[in-house]
Amino acid sequence: QVQLQQSGTELVKPASSVKISCKASGYPFTSNYMHWIRQQPGNGLEWIGWIYPGNGNTKYNQKFDGKATLTADKSSSTAYMQLSSLTSEDSAVYFCASNYGGYWFAYWGQGTLVTVSS
Amino acid sequence: DVVLTQTPPTLSATIGQSVSISCRSSQSLLHRNGNTYLNWLLQRPGQPPQLLIYLVSRLESGVPNRFSGSGSGTDFTLKISGVEAEDLGVYYCVQSTHAPYTFGAGTKLELK
Repeated sequence: QVQLQQSGTELVKPASSVKISCKASGYPFTSNYMHWIRQQPGNGLEWIGWIYPGNGNTKYNQKFDGKATLTADKSSSTAYMQLSSLTSEDSAVYFCASNYGGYWFAYWGQGTLVTVSS
Repeated sequence: DVVLTQTPPTLSATIGQSVSISCRSSQSLLHRNGNTYLNWLLQRPGQPPQLLIYLVSRLESGVPNRFSGSGSGTDFTLKISGVEAEDLGVYYCVQSTHAPYTFGAGTKLELK
């Protein structure tokens, strides 16, 4: 069955960076877009961007330009998101979510909590 | 950016009651390829969202058929025909016709 397994909770200091991972299994990783979505405490969902693992193409929400960098490793079927210059505003749960064929946002990871605090 | 306005923000229902959630878009979600990329998601407490309906009205595999979606252009509706306890949580519409993709603010379904 399809699984998106995300890395664990991160507690990081302001102005630092963090890289979270999303390991995919059970479907064709390289031929489906992988999205990243932010959910701030008590808030709704914001789309950060997608990566197409087959060729590494990316598309970002302009709001996250310079904040998020998406990469993917085809050999391990793992997608990554690096967040830089962290502030308290970046404290949130981050989800990866994959398309599957014509199904957008078909499968979701369990979420990674990032807390930015000194 | 496309704004998706969901109403109501909160919905109180009894088990067995039928309910509807509206999602209105600030611009048409009809893509030039003829598809309308409007999905519905359910997020149960402490869980990631899960896909219920894609392309306005197509039921994701394994989703009970008491869920149905309808609409076109800028006006969309999710209907639950006979709420069950497992349906409680927050429902989101999401559009992927126009980048950046956007989500509605959510409708919380709770028991009356």
